[in-house]
Amino acid sequence: AQTVTQSQPEMSVQEAETVTLSCTYDTSENNYYLFWYKQPPSRQMILVIRQEAYKQQNATENRFSVNFQKAAKSFSLKISDSQLGDTAMYFCAFMKQSGGSNYKLTFGKGTLLTVNP
Amino acid sequence: DGGITQSPKYLFRKEGQNVTLSCEQNLNHDAMYWYRQDPGQGLRLIYYSQIVNDFQKGDIAEGYSVSREKKESFPLTVTSAQKNPTAFYLCASTPGTTAFFGQGTRLTVV
Repeated sequence: AQTVTQSQPEMSVQEAETVTLSCTYDTSENNYYLFWYKQPPSRQMILVIRQEAYKQQNATENRFSVNFQKAAKSFSLKISDSQLGDTAMYFCAFMKQSGGSNYKLTFGKGTLLTVNP
Repeated sequence: DGGITQSPKYLFRKEGQNVTLSCEQNLNHDAMYWYRQDPGQGLRLIYYSQIVNDFQKGDIAEGYSVSREKKESFPLTVTSAQKNPTAFYLCASTPGTTAFFGQGTRLTVV
């Protein structure tokens, strides 16, 4: 079974600074996807960034980037130039790919990020 | 508009009653999921379905049931066997590699 671990229940950062959220996972699969989702106080889940395991290049979306270390099973999220609107719960998630079908999306327990003015 | 619709947004249930949460999507996605969210627990998978008329138990399926009679719909029934049903419930669907979520249903047992 896949597990996803986020070791930082809470973090805080000053506006305009950089912060890194940690995520590790455990799997025997070789083909899979990793995600970071953001959940603001509205509780709507928003996709931040996605990484395919077969791609060595780290994914980037504007101020958000990941450090994907497949051998170490590590998938951290870096937020640059933090903004007040980045305040939210952040979830790391894993989805395996098997036989052309995708299923069982597994989440970590989340990291509550607070951006201070 | 295309998307995933969960209803109702808030739901109150008396102890001992079954209640059904609705999830509808018009995105033509094959796979659908139900998650439960409690404080400090993240999102825990209840049930998921890859195709119509097929579904699998997730990590916390006890006390819940689902059906998938149509591609667009994946309702979740919280039965009286679920001992602690008060929680926030999220429905999701995926076209293959990225999951999209509904806005959730807050269920409270009174």
